[in-house]
Amino acid sequence: SAVISQKPSRDICQRGTSLTIQCQVDSQVTMMFWYRQQPGQSLTLIATANQGSEATYESGFVIDKFPISRPNLTFSTLTVSNMSPEDSSIYLCSVVGLRGTEAFFGQGTRLTVV
Amino acid sequence: ILNVEQSPQSLHVQEGDSTNFTCSFPSSNFYALHWYRWETAKSPEALFVMTLNGDEKKKGRISATLNTKEGYSYLYIKGSQPEDSATYLCASRDPGTASKLTFGTGTRLQVTL
Repeated sequence: SAVISQKPSRDICQRGTSLTIQCQVDSQVTMMFWYRQQPGQSLTLIATANQGSEATYESGFVIDKFPISRPNLTFSTLTVSNMSPEDSSIYLCSVVGLRGTEAFFGQGTRLTVV
Repeated sequence: ILNVEQSPQSLHVQEGDSTNFTCSFPSSNFYALHWYRWETAKSPEALFVMTLNGDEKKKGRISATLNTKEGYSYLYIKGSQPEDSATYLCASRDPGTASKLTFGTGTRLQVTL
């Protein structure tokens, strides 16, 4: 299993500002994933954070809005830029275990934009 | 694009009741089905990963079955306890990119005394 530390656990932000969420894993992993869950919606993949190359974004998500860094194999950040109330969500980082079967998650960041 | 659906959206049972939820997913190009348990302010916890048609898995009072031909999975909880209160998520693994999960909206279970 992998232990993932994600912070902050929650924040309340003003619209128009940006928030950076950090994700630290206790072991080296090839891919890290960023998800969000808007109220009443399913967990949706934002992007895959690749070490040494640009993140791969899912349809509907763009780098300007959700820039991602992946400086090494144990750490990644997701920034939510120029926030609006629609960005109020739970954001989760995730990694896939060594066997490639299970996914492990951080505790999530509960973001409220006012 | 995978479309994963779960029902019911929420469920309220009494301690000791047994209950079950449904997850439906596209049966074509199936790769794997995951069940997670997500308590508030905690990380989603992996319960089961199921790959074969007819798979049945059990973990304590919780069990799951898989039907890949018709595209559904059931999660059963026997003798529900208050600590079982959580959101139960299912996710289908994308066969194209094996690490990508497509989640349903979850079933929110509340167990009261």
